[in-house]
Amino acid sequence: QMLLVESGGGVVQPGRSLRLSCAASGFTFSNYDMHWVRQAPGKGLEGVAVISYHGSNEYYADSVKGRFTVSRDNSKNTLSLQMNSLGPEDTAVYYCARAVYTSNGDGLDYWGQGTLVTVSS
Amino acid sequence: AIQMTQSPSSLSASVGDRVTITCRASQGIRNDLGWYQQKPGKAPKLLIYAASRLQSGVPSRFSGSGSGTDFTLTISSLQPEDFATYYCLQDYGYPWTFGQGTKVEVK
Repeated sequence: QMLLVESGGGVVQPGRSLRLSCAASGFTFSNYDMHWVRQAPGKGLEGVAVISYHGSNEYYADSVKGRFTVSRDNSKNTLSLQMNSLGPEDTAVYYCARAVYTSNGDGLDYWGQGTLVTVSS
Repeated sequence: AIQMTQSPSSLSASVGDRVTITCRASQGIRNDLGWYQQKPGKAPKLLIYAASRLQSGVPSRFSGSGSGTDFTLTISSLQPEDFATYYCLQDYGYPWTFGQGTKVEVK
């Protein structure tokens, strides 16, 4: 059974840092690119960061570039998101999701349940 | 970044209705588009990938079409469990970008 479980969310003051984790199980984690997607309260979905299956390539939304860093430890089946210089605009539920690439098409086929990050003084 | 414009932002429908949601890309994205369903408090769920391919386990009342810049998600006969918010997502180029969402509500 494939599972993605996020952790590390909570309340943090503006300007501080937070590190999110996503524990993967039930599939060969090292074979898949992984995404972080967030959703502010009552708002739509926003792709935040992507890391390639081997960890050598990363992509970031402009809104987080220079502040967030995505990483992975394939030996521990873990995805991470280091978030620095947090602002109220970063308040959201953060999801990790698995990217699937096939000859017929791509998509985000498995998602975690999300972890809530609240940036507030 | 590629902009995805989804419409309508919300719609009201009844069980049994045919529902259509559209998504327009700011540039051509071939057929690199997926549709996702999200229910309150839950993670999104992949319904359709490559514009028209049904994800395993998704009911056949869901269908997708389009290529290039214009795409459509159709629910042929709306069921009670289909009331949710739907998002398109382009996976043509990074960063992958979502449409703003369409909330399908009970009429």
